[in-house]
Amino acid sequence: EVLVVESGGGLVQPGGSLRLSCAASGFFSSDYSMNWVRRAPGKGLEWLSYLGNDGRTIYYADSVKGRFATSRDSAKNSMYLQMNSLRDDDTAVYYCARDGGRAYEMDVWGQGTTVTVSS
Amino acid sequence: QSALTQPASVSGSPGQSITISCTGTISDIGTYNYLCWYQHHPGKAPKLIIYGVSNRPSGVSNRFSGSKSGNTASLTISGLQAEDEADYYCMSYRRSSTLVFGGGTRLTVV
Repeated sequence: EVLVVESGGGLVQPGGSLRLSCAASGFFSSDYSMNWVRRAPGKGLEWLSYLGNDGRTIYYADSVKGRFATSRDSAKNSMYLQMNSLRDDDTAVYYCARDGGRAYEMDVWGQGTTVTVSS
Repeated sequence: QSALTQPASVSGSPGQSITISCTGTISDIGTYNYLCWYQHHPGKAPKLIIYGVSNRPSGVSNRFSGSKSGNTASLTISGLQAEDEADYYCMSYRRSSTLVFGGGTRLTVV
């Protein structure tokens, strides 16, 4: 079965850091481009970053550029989101999603991991 | 990065059809056919229901259809069912290598 599973969420103080993981199974994540998306309480989905299957092409939303960094470990079939300088408005459920490779569609999603930024 | 514009809510009765609009600009919907729709039941993983404006992934009901005209895309759900009650999001590629979601539409089946 093709799956992605997020982990690493938790409670962190403003200004702190957190690293999320996205473990893929049933496919090689290095063969696909991958995305991070979040949904804050009471708000809609927000795209955060895109990691190309070449491992070097990376795009970020303006809201996280310079604070968040996406990376991949092919040996662990995993992707990561390093989040620094966290703010209250970063509180959200964070999802990783596989790019289906046809039209930037995200065809496989995880259940998400919750990040709460609060003092 | 401003979101694509969707109505906050729509409603319909079982068996009816509804359409959700998604309005962007020449920098996204108006230029690219990289337009998708997602269904999201809160607490669950979002689900891809339309990609490339009007294509359905394998396993998605043919009650879901998509189209585009100019800067506006549309999702039509026919034969509404109770299980269709969810949040729906459009998403487009935008010039300068970003992706952008719509604000989301809450569908209520009354």
